[in-house]
Amino acid sequence: AQSVTQLDSHVSVSEGTPVLLRCNYSSSYSPSLFWYVQHPNKGLQLLLKYTSAATLVKGINGFEAEFKKSETSFHLTKPSAHMSDAAEYFCVVSTTSGTYKYIFGTGTRLKVLA
Amino acid sequence: GAVVSQHPSRVICKSGTSVKIECRSLDFQATTMFWYRQFPKQSLMLMATSNEGSKATYEQGVEKDKFLINHASLTLSTLTVTSAHPEDSSFYICSARMHRMNTEAFFGQGTRLTVV
Repeated sequence: AQSVTQLDSHVSVSEGTPVLLRCNYSSSYSPSLFWYVQHPNKGLQLLLKYTSAATLVKGINGFEAEFKKSETSFHLTKPSAHMSDAAEYFCVVSTTSGTYKYIFGTGTRLKVLA
Repeated sequence: GAVVSQHPSRVICKSGTSVKIECRSLDFQATTMFWYRQFPKQSLMLMATSNEGSKATYEQGVEKDKFLINHASLTLSTLTVTSAHPEDSSFYICSARMHRMNTEAFFGQGTRLTVV
């Protein structure tokens, strides 16, 4: 069975400093992994996805994530935080059979300090 | 990119009434749509998966008679909350996928339901 664990429920960074949001996954097969961002009372926007191509995935708004099979991790990073990055971030793994459901992590709330 | 439109964005209804939420894929055909519920400051909980032209598959613990899902066409799925109660108040989000295979899903903007 697939699962994801987001290791931090809250992360605070200062504007202009790096962002690291951690995600570990569990999957019996080669997983498809996603990071989504949600602003308050809004739907989810896809930041980036890994689907067994390049292990370093570049997404929108300067975010990127590296798939590390040996560590079963898919951490999200950004070199320099912006105030507009403050939001909830979800790491997601897709099941590998059936209806290919999304399994969500518990989310990490990112706070950016001025 | 693919756009999923969810309507209404906010709805207030009285206890005992029913409310319908629509989810439309605007520029693609969605063979599969998903309905989620999100409680405040929590993650998304999958309620059901619907494939066009067939009955929805509900997750364990979700009352299918209370949350009616219809996926009548390749661009529209509806969620009807029947006989709503205050505990049904929540944020409901739909997503749509183009193919049954493992491709990304696109999310609607969500519906805030308040039952008074």
